[in-house]
Amino acid sequence: QKEVEQNSGPLSVPEGAIASLNCTYSDRGSQSFFWYRQYSGKSPELIMFIYSNGDKEDGRFTAQLNKASQYVSLLIRDSQPSDSATYLCAVNTPYSGAGSYQLTFGKGTKLSVIP
Amino acid sequence: NAGVTQTPKFRILKIGQSMTLQCAQDMNHNYMYWYRQDPGMGLKLIYYSVGAGITDKGEVPNGYNVSRSTTEDFPLRLELAAPSQTSVYFCASTPTRGPNTGELFFGEGSRLTVL
Repeated sequence: QKEVEQNSGPLSVPEGAIASLNCTYSDRGSQSFFWYRQYSGKSPELIMFIYSNGDKEDGRFTAQLNKASQYVSLLIRDSQPSDSATYLCAVNTPYSGAGSYQLTFGKGTKLSVIP
Repeated sequence: NAGVTQTPKFRILKIGQSMTLQCAQDMNHNYMYWYRQDPGMGLKLIYYSVGAGITDKGEVPNGYNVSRSTTEDFPLRLELAAPSQTSVYFCASTPTRGPNTGELFFGEGSRLTVL
């Protein structure tokens, strides 16, 4: 059973602070890692992806990957109230079916940024 | 661009009724997916398709059926609805799948309640 684990939260941070979201995964064959943001009542949207160990920065967002520890994280700097959402970690893993690779999603971490 | 269009957005079913959730995409994507999302949970894969005429089961296929007669359309059929099928259903598509691809384009979701 391929598993992706996230703290469900809620994680509350004050406006302007750094929000740190964490994710662990069980399948060492996983190749790539994605963070989706989902506002309440809306569909998920991709905000970051990372393939290699280390950090990847995009604006206020930084994704971090440590394959040896099977750990992915997302840092949001200068958090804004508009960042309040649920953040889903998704892991691309080999799959036995015709699709070859499938995304396995974590349950998501709910982030609240307090003005 | 319409992207991925799901209908209906909301539906209430009685136990034992059947219905079809419609999904259409206009991006010429080969890969299409149906997920369900229960409150506080991540996305669970129901069925997927890698192209017209090819479908396969995901993690939670029981109680559902799909077909893919065209590249554009991927309807999800619920037979003999049960309260356990109360959920939000998301259709998604992507042009390619591989070890380093994982951007899914989601529809707005269909909220189904079975009473």
